[in-house]
Order: sequence, then C-alpha cells, then structure tokens
Amino acid sequence: GAGVSQTPSNKVTEKGKYVELRCDPISGHTALYWYRQSLGQGPEFLIYFQGTGAADDSGLPNDRFFAVRPEGSVSTLKIQRTERGDSAVYLCASSPGTGDGSAMPKQYFGPGTRLTVT
Amino acid sequence: RKEVEQDPGPFNVPEGATVAFNCTYSNSASQSFFWYRQDCRKEPKLLMSVYSSGNEDGRFTAQLNRASQYISLLIRDSKLSDSATYLCVVNIPQGGSYIPTFGRGTSLIVHP
Repeated sequence: GAGVSQTPSNKVTEKGKYVELRCDPISGHTALYWYRQSLGQGPEFLIYFQGTGAADDSGLPNDRFFAVRPEGSVSTLKIQRTERGDSAVYLCASSPGTGDGSAMPKQYFGPGTRLTVT
Repeated sequence: RKEVEQDPGPFNVPEGATVAFNCTYSNSASQSFFWYRQDCRKEPKLLMSVYSSGNEDGRFTAQLNRASQYISLLIRDSKLSDSATYLCVVNIPQGGSYIPTFGRGTSLIVHP
C-alpha cells in the first residue's frame, strides 16, 4: 500500500516568508508526528497528533511554528517569518496509534521536505 | 547531558565483521525502544523493536538493559549494504505523554 508522502520534496524560500509543508499519512493511521532533522543529527521531535488534536506540541521551537490536522488525516506544518536557522529536513511519520507508551507503535516515515531559507 | 546519546562514529569495519552499537538514555521511566536505519539523504526506516528479553532478526540482534539504561544493536557478518546511519529512539515520559526521542545516530561504513 501507499506509504507516507510529503510535499514539496524541496522548498527554497527567502528569509521572512511563510511556508506550508504537507504530510499525507498511511491510510488508517491515527497518530502523526512531525520532526526536524539537521545535518549530522537525529530527528528532533516537534509535535504529534492523535486524530485531529495536537496531543503534544512541546517540541515546536517558538510561536512561528504551527501545525494542523483538521480531518484527522493530512497534516500541514506552517512556518511564519522563516529564518535561516529553520533550514533543515522536515520529516513526517505516522503510526497506527500512540498506545499507552509502554507499547508505542512503530512509526513509518515519509521522504521529508528539505527546506532552505536564503 | 542529552536524553539519548549515541557515539556518532564512524565505525569502519571490513565485510564479515561483527559490530555493536550502544545507545544510552537518561530517564529510567522511558518506554518503547527502537532501532532505525537511515541511508544518506533518505528517511529513517524501522529496523527492529528492542525488548528486555532481546530479539533477533537474521544477522541483527537488539537488546535492552534497563538497569544500565542502554540499548544495543549487534550486526553479525556485516555486508557492504549495511553501510548506513543507525538511529536509536527512546520514548521518554513528558507531561502525561511519551515523546519519541532520537539519538544523533551512529555511522557504519562496511568496506570490502
């Protein structure tokens, strides 16, 4: 079946502009995660959704970052007033559900969006 | 101190060698541990889950040591195609939920 998809694959924008990054999870997966990965580092957690609601957004670096998942499927990560330090690969992952923590389901990653802020 | 730590390497080994990586975590209440593999400029792909009892999948063995707070990955009979970055992820309790927290990854290079 289809995996997680993300669009665009690459985005180049100027400092100060607004960008939207889209994630299409695996059909039926209720949990969706956003991460940011810089060169030489592991993915850094930003936010996760269980259904339509943001279950934890503690990883969002500041109020320029916002994410939505209005119908419990597709999610959009929105970045306002982009800065050069926002340049990174933004990864989305989905899983069947968050479980109770002691049995956290496996996550399946999309190919990522490479964001470059000039 | 980072919550999840890995030696970035690179580990440079010949084909056929056995190599092991560790990943330490600081929060003893952490749950659900995994190893992912990431190829250059690709997304992470799940390699295996990690349990206290240990689990094996072909040439790969993963183990969780709760007392010492680390997980390990052992690769036997290394192949050229095993060259990649290996990421551990630990689910760390925070504010009533669990946050998936990745290490920075360990780079493995298998040479002929």
